[in-house]
Amino acid sequence: DAGVTQSPTHLIKTRGQQVTLRCSPKSGHDTVSWYQQALGQGPQFIFQYYEEEERQRGNFPDRFSGHQFPNYSSELNVNALLLGDSALYLCASSLGGRTTNEKLFFGSGTQLSVL
Amino acid sequence: KNQVEQSPQSLIILEGKNCTLQCNYTVSPFSNLRWYKQDTGRGPVSLTIMTFSENTKSNGRYTATLDADTKQSSLHITASQLSDSASYICVVMGAGKSTFGDGTTLTVKP
Repeated sequence: DAGVTQSPTHLIKTRGQQVTLRCSPKSGHDTVSWYQQALGQGPQFIFQYYEEEERQRGNFPDRFSGHQFPNYSSELNVNALLLGDSALYLCASSLGGRTTNEKLFFGSGTQLSVL
Repeated sequence: KNQVEQSPQSLIILEGKNCTLQCNYTVSPFSNLRWYKQDTGRGPVSLTIMTFSENTKSNGRYTATLDADTKQSSLHITASQLSDSASYICVVMGAGKSTFGDGTTLTVKP
């Protein structure tokens, strides 16, 4: 049973560039949430996708956008990268779009460094 | 503003000893509280979930408590092992949204 997989594991970009991160949810899950985790801090919610639509969004600028595909996999796109975007980006999957008592299954993350 | 505060920020203990991590929250309305364990370079993994009516829940050597009146939770780790070295994150859900604490970094030394 495949868990949540993310790619790439590490990425180095320069300021102003654009980046795309990818996530495949746990088998049987249809909901994907993205989080940004700075060093020494807890994950910050970016947005959640269910049925190929953005259902909820955290306090992140429009430079952060996403997409969910019919097979439930998802992409996170960040445009015009800033140094402050350097962080671990986590993808979490869950089932049915429910947000009550949902158990999130996290991937190992993509470590993004912006130089 | 919904907040989750964890203490201590970091903790070092000797193998075999017990420890207790604290979580205070101001999230309202309250749905549930989860403790996650995050190993270095990995994603968080759920340890326990506490709902409003639950006071105590155990998962092996991990025991979580919840006082919904004072909005406090604790995670007690018994007979610590080297593999317990990790960050422990408290997550409170309310109104369909999850609020994460910044975690407590636990280091278990031989």
